[in-house]
Amino acid sequence: QSVLTQPPSMSGAPGQSVTITCAGSSSNIGAGFDVHWYQHLPGTAPKVLVFANNNRPSGVPDRFSGSKSDTSASLAITGLQAEDEADYYCQSFDSSLSRSVFGGGTKLTVL
Amino acid sequence: EVQLLESGGGLVQPGGSLRLSCAASGFTFSKHAMIWVRQAPGKGLERVSGIGSAGTTNYADSVKGRFTISRDNSKNTLYLQMNSLTVEDTAVYYCAKKVEGKGKHFDYWGQGTLVTVSS
Repeated sequence: QSVLTQPPSMSGAPGQSVTITCAGSSSNIGAGFDVHWYQHLPGTAPKVLVFANNNRPSGVPDRFSGSKSDTSASLAITGLQAEDEADYYCQSFDSSLSRSVFGGGTKLTVL
Repeated sequence: EVQLLESGGGLVQPGGSLRLSCAASGFTFSKHAMIWVRQAPGKGLERVSGIGSAGTTNYADSVKGRFTISRDNSKNTLYLQMNSLTVEDTAVYYCAKKVEGKGKHFDYWGQGTLVTVSS
């Protein structure tokens, strides 16, 4: 059971938008710790999509955006493309565990 | 250019041991916390173990007492000693570098090394 909770799967048609949620608690997201998002294609290195809630590394399209509110966070993907089909993970820090924690991941399917 | 290169994976029998290495370059290795994350077949990423710049360590409950994380700053290398391996440890193992500061993200990841535990 992951400390951060994500929907196991989501889907959308090309061009559509999807929002992946990440639910935490008062010891992590709700305590004010930043949320980060990663994109992972199995067999490849995970890649940072969004860091510190809503910041994109250079090279990440602005179709990807992050937000955070209370004890949860979201990753929005607009204008879905076939290449967006991947697994997405949120990550934060948990003060009770004193370490970084990950969500269980969301498998995004582009129909 | 930051590079993380894992090695040491392979096929091992249940109960056996393996030591994974993660050779780092392109940054001041000693200043950064590092972690090992794995992905078992059909499963999501699982944080296995982490080590701070000062050497403090932590482990997932699933590997506590069996795995040991360490670092050699003189060799810019991260290690994961895995003992008493079970079939549930079969996974691709990734190392990752953490941005300095509490609660920061992991900005660079290796390509992974496959560990297969099977008789």
